[in-house]
Amino acid sequence: AQSVTQPDIHITVSEGASLELRCNYSYGATPYLFWYVQSPGQGLQLLLKYFSGDTLVQGIKGFEAEFKRSQSSFNLRKPSVHWSDAAEYFCAVGAMNTGFQKLVFGTGTRLLVSP
Amino acid sequence: EPEVTQTPSHQVTQMGQEVILRCVPISNHLYFYWYRQILGQKVEFLVSFYNNEISEKSEIFDDQFSVERPDGSNFTLKIRSTKLEDSAMYFCASSTETGNQPQHFGDGTRLSIL
Repeated sequence: AQSVTQPDIHITVSEGASLELRCNYSYGATPYLFWYVQSPGQGLQLLLKYFSGDTLVQGIKGFEAEFKRSQSSFNLRKPSVHWSDAAEYFCAVGAMNTGFQKLVFGTGTRLLVSP
Repeated sequence: EPEVTQTPSHQVTQMGQEVILRCVPISNHLYFYWYRQILGQKVEFLVSFYNNEISEKSEIFDDQFSVERPDGSNFTLKIRSTKLEDSAMYFCASSTETGNQPQHFGDGTRLSIL
């Protein structure tokens, strides 16, 4: 069965420092991978996606992620974190068992940004 | 930018009552989804819907749940007889294609069962 692991429940980063959020997936075929962000009381906003091609994908708000098939990873990075980046981040894999996609989410990583 | 809208933002219901959660997907999208997130837990898939029928459903989506696209714009989730454990945030999502296009989510409806 498909699964996504986000090993860090919480991460605290100083404003201006770099960020990397880890994501490992388990999926039998070539995965469709996503990162979503959820601010308090808000819905899920798509940060970026990987479908195929270049393994380094750029997203909104200065985020990027790198797909590494050998490590089954899709880590999210940002070179300089802003206070407004404090939120919960979810990695997801798109499972296509029935020919229709459903998203399988990780448990999320809560990012705290310190001054 | 077009977005998925969900109403109400918060619904409080007595246990055993029926509840209908409403969603207006993005207008040119053809695939529709419901997910839920119990407080403190991960987002879980409930059901996908295409061409006026369910394309896939999870084991959570039992006979108490149903979905409908009553007209050209709305997509609803009905819970027939609510239970305490149905308390969660319910997210609607839509996409133009399935697989190679991302799903766009609404802000969710927080359902509280008393």
